Amino acid sequence: EPEVTQTPSHQVTQMGQEVILRCVPISNHLYFYWYRQILGQKVEFLVSFYNNEISEKSEIFDDQFSVERPDGSNFTLKIRSTKLEDSAMYFCASSDDRGETQYFGPGTRLLVL
Amino acid sequence: TQLLEQSPQFLSIQEGENLTVYCNSSSVFSSLQWYRQEPGEGPVLLVTVVTGGEVKKLKRLTFQFGDARKDSSLHITAAQPGDTGLYLCAGFVMNRDDKIIFGKGTRLHILP
Repeated sequence: EPEVTQTPSHQVTQMGQEVILRCVPISNHLYFYWYRQILGQKVEFLVSFYNNEISEKSEIFDDQFSVERPDGSNFTLKIRSTKLEDSAMYFCASSDDRGETQYFGPGTRLLVL
Repeated sequence: TQLLEQSPQFLSIQEGENLTVYCNSSSVFSSLQWYRQEPGEGPVLLVTVVTGGEVKKLKRLTFQFGDARKDSSLHITAAQPGDTGLYLCAGFVMNRDDKIIFGKGTRLHILP
């Protein structure tokens, strides 16, 4: 069964460093999403992406965040200068029905020291 | 701001018992999803309900969408230890934005 994959599974970085989180959505899906989940808290929406542009973003998704679909298969989330409070699980999701049914990846656990 | 409230937050019951968890909102959703999340893993989609009043069954799990599409319930019959986990409901509004809003989840523990 097709699934969303994410790499790396874990990332440890120093505060102020740039990180890139990678996702390979399900191949025929057109809508892509990033969410994050701080430990013990609920899953929060960051950004949605369709047709090579951002369609919606939350207040969390500030200028330090960017997304890109560099080729036909990858979808990346970049954090330019990480902060301690960026430590969280980051989930990628994809959908073929404009988001009504979203399939999540296993997540990348980011720890900012 | 759309919010989804899940109750109870925690539930610990004996194997073989039945249980119901609830997901409520003051907002109307186009559809509602139920996910199950294991520690350190991503949410796994269980079901999507779309029509008000819709009932879907997944083995011993029964999901219902409220008539007004503001709430949903998950009923588990004869719970088993393998049902232990975090159950999340998430709502979606078509043609407004493309995100889904998650509840905080119900952490279910089934005692053998």
